[in-house]
Amino acid sequence: QKEVEQNSGPLSVPEGAIASLNCTYSDRGSQSFFWYRQYSGKSPELIMFIYSNGDKEDGRFTAQLNKASQYVSLLIRDSQPSDSATYLCAVSSGAGSYQLTFGKGTKLSVIP
Amino acid sequence: DARVTQTPRHKVTEMGQEVTMRCQPILGHNTVFWYRQTMMQGLELLAYFRNRAPLDDSGMPKDRFSAEMPDATLATLKIQPSEPRDSAVYFCASAGQLSTDTQYFGPGTRLTVL
Repeated sequence: QKEVEQNSGPLSVPEGAIASLNCTYSDRGSQSFFWYRQYSGKSPELIMFIYSNGDKEDGRFTAQLNKASQYVSLLIRDSQPSDSATYLCAVSSGAGSYQLTFGKGTKLSVIP
Repeated sequence: DARVTQTPRHKVTEMGQEVTMRCQPILGHNTVFWYRQTMMQGLELLAYFRNRAPLDDSGMPKDRFSAEMPDATLATLKIQPSEPRDSAVYFCASAGQLSTDTQYFGPGTRLTVL
């Protein structure tokens, strides 16, 4: 059974610091990796996706993928209180696959 | 409109009643997913459709849940009869033809079964 593991947190960081969110996955054949942000009472919102090993940057967000270690992370630079949310890691077998396997999420709290 | 819409947003019902939730996927998206989210289980995939055809509903309790897509702009999830353990937030998501695993979520239906 495919599994995606995340530390549930809460992860507390001071405003302006770097928040580091981690995720491991069990299916070595996974090809596509996604980060969703979910504010309390709201729906998951796609913020990043990554397909290749290495880093992918988008504004204050950097996704990092290491397929050999089956590890994906999300770095949030200059964390803001508005970044406080639960971050969900999701994994799929790649384009043409329809199913995402979600982790249970890490709750991030950015302290002003 | 480039958003997934869901109705109703909230539903409170009594055990044994029928519940129907509706979803309008993003225009042009041909893959639709139904998820259920609870604190204990997180996000669980219930069923999904491609080009209106059901591809997988193995995550759904078959005896009480049913999912359909009567046309390209409407997906429905029905629970009959509802039970208290069905209380959860139900999300619909859609994906386009080129990026079938890049899913965009609707606002959800918060269901409470008393």
